[in-house]
Amino acid sequence: TQLLEQSPQFLSIQEGENLTVYCNSSSVFSSLQWYRQEPGEGPVLLVTVVTGGEVKKLKRLTFQFGDARKDSSLHITAAQPGDTGLYLCAEPVGGSNYKLTFGKGTLLTVNP
Amino acid sequence: NAGVTQTPKFRVLKTGQSMTLLCAQDMNHEYMYWYRQDPGMGLRLIHYSVGEGTTAKGEVPDGYNVSRLKKQNFLLGLESAAPSQTSVYFCASSLASEQYFGPGTRLTVT
Repeated sequence: TQLLEQSPQFLSIQEGENLTVYCNSSSVFSSLQWYRQEPGEGPVLLVTVVTGGEVKKLKRLTFQFGDARKDSSLHITAAQPGDTGLYLCAEPVGGSNYKLTFGKGTLLTVNP
Repeated sequence: NAGVTQTPKFRVLKTGQSMTLLCAQDMNHEYMYWYRQDPGMGLRLIHYSVGEGTTAKGEVPDGYNVSRLKKQNFLLGLESAAPSQTSVYFCASSLASEQYFGPGTRLTVT
């Protein structure tokens, strides 16, 4: 099973700051999903990236997939307290089209 | 649509007691999953199902059993709870790899 490494593990910033979190692997991703888990809730899918070099935007969130498909980043512009949560990346397991393996996540706290 | 629902939301068990967690989805998804989430360990797959009447072991299946008698329901059972099973349990469902999660059940075993 491919190991997904997320960094940083924890991030605490002030409202209005920008930030970037990362998801890396030693192997090539078939595709990559990003989820956000708010405190006390289940993870919610934000985006799926498939093609190397792909960039997707979701309001103030920008997702990039590395050209070699071995890394991905999530950039948040002008963070708000509502962005607080655990950000998880996940990849389909070994060619499966349904099972996922998850990284351990980046716990983001945005202070007002 | 309610999406994925889980009952109960909270439960406290004594060591050796049994219980069943219920997951229901109204999206007609074929695949369903049970995960546990522990600090520093991330989400770990306990068992999963690829369709009604089927189940399979995930990464951490020991101490748990599952059943999927109806397509919309996936039950997770603990026959003899242990303190190591204190965790937050999430159910998820999917048509393909993009998964939809329930709100979780916080289980404490004393």
